[in-house]
Amino acid sequence: GQNIDQPTEMTATEGAIVQINCTYQTSGFNGLFWYQQHAGEAPTFLSYNVLDGLEEKGRFSSFLSRSKGYSYLLLKELQMKDSASYLCAAMDSNYQLIWGAGTKLIIKP
Amino acid sequence: DADVTQTPRNRITKTGKRIMLECSQTKGHDRMYWYRQDPGLGLRLIYYSFDVKDINKGEISDGYSVSRQAQAKFSLSLESAIPNQTALYFCATSERGQDTGELFFGEGSRLTVL
Repeated sequence: GQNIDQPTEMTATEGAIVQINCTYQTSGFNGLFWYQQHAGEAPTFLSYNVLDGLEEKGRFSSFLSRSKGYSYLLLKELQMKDSASYLCAAMDSNYQLIWGAGTKLIIKP
Repeated sequence: DADVTQTPRNRITKTGKRIMLECSQTKGHDRMYWYRQDPGLGLRLIYYSFDVKDINKGEISDGYSVSRQAQAKFSLSLESAIPNQTALYFCATSERGQDTGELFFGEGSRLTVL
């Protein structure tokens, strides 16, 4: 079956760095997505990886290893506004998104 | 104003009632989707539409129906609501041919079925 695994909750300190991991198993693969969702709000797109390696976008970076079925989202210089859930989603061979349950990130002062 | 608008934002109803959730978008996107989100679960696709005459079932379409009235409008109906359809529902759009598959979500419709 198709499956996405990511930690349920993580805690980090303001100004620090945090890495949120995601492993996936899909029928075929057409890319890995990260979305941010603040409580009570809609998810918003953060990143897309389809090739192995690291994509950097400001304070956020996303990494993909296709051979390992593994991705991570790296958040640097954490700010209180980064407190949110981070959703990992993999696109399968039919271009359908398979979503993880999300990682709730709590930032402490 | 939001590019993807959902109405109602909140609705409480009783078992057996018919409910319609509406979605309209000003992004000019061809593709529209309905998802539901439950605590502890990932987003699950209910129905999707790639253009006005195209309707496709998603992972969990049983108990739901949709209508694509125009490029900009996509509505979700629950013909006879049941309590396990209590969830947060999201409409989303994407651009045809967009390889990154980025989705643009509405603000969500919280439905409670008593």
